[in-house]
Order: sequence, then structure tokens, then C-alpha cells
Amino acid sequence: ETGVTQTPRHLVMGMTNKKSLKCEQHLGHNAMYWYKQSAKKPLELMFVYSLEERVENNSVPSRFSPECPNSSHLFLHLHTLQPEDSALYLCASSQEGFNEQFFGPGTRLTVL
Amino acid sequence: GDSVTQMEGPVTLSEEAFLTINCTYTATGYPSLFWYVQYPGEGLQLLLKATKADDKGSNKGFEATYRKETTSFHLEKGSVQVSDSAVYFCARKIQGAQKLVFGQGTRLTINP
Repeated sequence: ETGVTQTPRHLVMGMTNKKSLKCEQHLGHNAMYWYKQSAKKPLELMFVYSLEERVENNSVPSRFSPECPNSSHLFLHLHTLQPEDSALYLCASSQEGFNEQFFGPGTRLTVL
Repeated sequence: GDSVTQMEGPVTLSEEAFLTINCTYTATGYPSLFWYVQYPGEGLQLLLKATKADDKGSNKGFEATYRKETTSFHLEKGSVQVSDSAVYFCARKIQGAQKLVFGQGTRLTINP
């Protein structure tokens, strides 16, 4: 595997389900990000992890719970979501001290 | 605050036409600037970047010049192809933080 990978690529869940999104970066980076991309809004930064510590949480509802067990892996745990949470969830990584971010292909989430 | 403004889309052109997508930013100092491209069903890919005033980023026939006088970073291509159809995002680095702020994206469609 190379770059940033995300699984699953597509997910359909009910409002009472619990699911997790997984992101893995193979670039040796030390910062990781979750973004939400929906049709009506530009890219929304949700969480930032740097050196495995959460350094940013942009007023994201508690039904989204991130986890960064090491510098290569990032999870987004989902529970009791709402239909308006349906979106493309993008993971990205970067190296501290460098500017550009590298993105995964995203997980298309549909909440019924 | 720090922001990025892109020209409204969608933009539709014929193959071999000249392309310009405008991008302006508000900033203190001289942030690094980026253009990302998102092809259908994929995540964002870095297209080009510029890290200081008067720098010109270029890739795949696309160019953008960092203009501090006009706080702009317009994307140009001399002759577009159908394969350039995608959504284009302008972004800037936030000073002192390991994150980017993105414009709202411009959808480009190239007709044969």
C-alpha cells in the first residue's frame, strides 16, 4: 500500500448503529486529519492529530469520536448519527514542518 | 481572519480553451498557497504549490503565481482537456498551525 488509504470506501448505516472509519498513512508522516465534505458546504476540518495528540477539535458533535493509536493510523468512531451527517469523510496526513497535506480517497457515508 | 475565496462555479469550457480559476486570500504574512484537484469519486490531490511571493507553481500544464500585491493565486492552463474535468480547490496554510484553509471549490467541466 502507498499513500493514504481509507476503509471502507462506502458505508450505509442506520441512526442507531455504531461503526468506525479507518485511515492509514504509509508516508511516515506525524500529523493526521479528518475532514467532512458535503454537497452544500466546503471542506470542513473536523479533527487534527499531531504526534498522536489531538490538537484541534472544530466543534464537532460528540457522536463523532476520533482515535489515533499511533502516527500511522486514525479512526473515526460513529454512533447515533443523523441523516445530515451523510457526506464524504476524508482523511489526510502531513509532516510537521511541511505544508502540504496528502489525502485518502474518502469514505462515502450514508445515514438512513 | 484567514480565508480563501475562489471564483464561483461551475465552469464549462470546450476542449483546448484557456482556463483561469481565480483565487484570492486574506492573510497576515506570506502563507504557503496550494491548488488541489479532486477527480470524481476520489480524494484531493495536490496539483501545485508556491511557498513565497512571486513563486510560480506548475504541474500537468497548470500554473499559478503567488501575487502578494493582489493577494491572489489564480490557476491557469493554456489548453484544457476533457480529462481536466474535476473540482479544483485553492488553499492556504494557517500561520503557526499545522492546518490548511480551503476555498469552496470550483467545478470544471470540459466538453469535447
